[in-house]
Amino acid sequence: GESVGLHLPTLSVQEGDNSIINCAYSNSASDYFIWYKQESGKGPQFIIDIRSNMDKRQGQRVTVLLNKTVKHLSLQIAATQPGDSAVYFCAESMDSSYKLIFGSGTRLLVRP
Amino acid sequence: GAVVSQHPSRVICKSGTSVKIECRSLDFQATTMFWYRQFPKQSLMLMATSNEGSKATYEQGVEKDKFLINHASLTLSTLTVTSAHPEDSSFYICSARPGTGGETQYFGPGTRLLVL
Repeated sequence: GESVGLHLPTLSVQEGDNSIINCAYSNSASDYFIWYKQESGKGPQFIIDIRSNMDKRQGQRVTVLLNKTVKHLSLQIAATQPGDSAVYFCAESMDSSYKLIFGSGTRLLVRP
Repeated sequence: GAVVSQHPSRVICKSGTSVKIECRSLDFQATTMFWYRQFPKQSLMLMATSNEGSKATYEQGVEKDKFLINHASLTLSTLTVTSAHPEDSSFYICSARPGTGGETQYFGPGTRLLVL
């Protein structure tokens, strides 16, 4: 079956630096993408989303970039804080089903 | 707003017993609820989609007779793991999609199941 995000890397950044977390997706029919943050032992927490008719969307300290040509999604976190330490998942969806297909995740470690 | 709860948060049971997990949308009506399973250090895997008043739709490879899903109301869905075995030990997470439309799903805090 198709999948999103084939790796589970760990990204270690210094507090205050910017973080960039990447995700590759394979379903060209997906038209809605979401980034979630998951802390240990908790459910996923919505961060930001983007539809396929957009290339970029900004939130508070976060930016999501979508490159449909190479099927790539990224999450940028500005001025990373210790509280940002978690596992980050991208997910894709198609309107008709509303099902979410999750990527394998990236662990973000913020060094004080 | 948009809070989803799960009960219990943690359960330990003996092999062969059945365990019921509840998922509730506390401040909205959920047209659709989803059940996921997550093994340690892995991603969330969708198990089934549950629509109020109709049978759940299971993903390929998920046994519907083992994982019974009931979506009796617009605010409650239950997942029953029947005849649980140690390999069913996992983190089970539900999400709910409001009936007002849109793709947004709100996730519950998860239920940790340990089968001895």
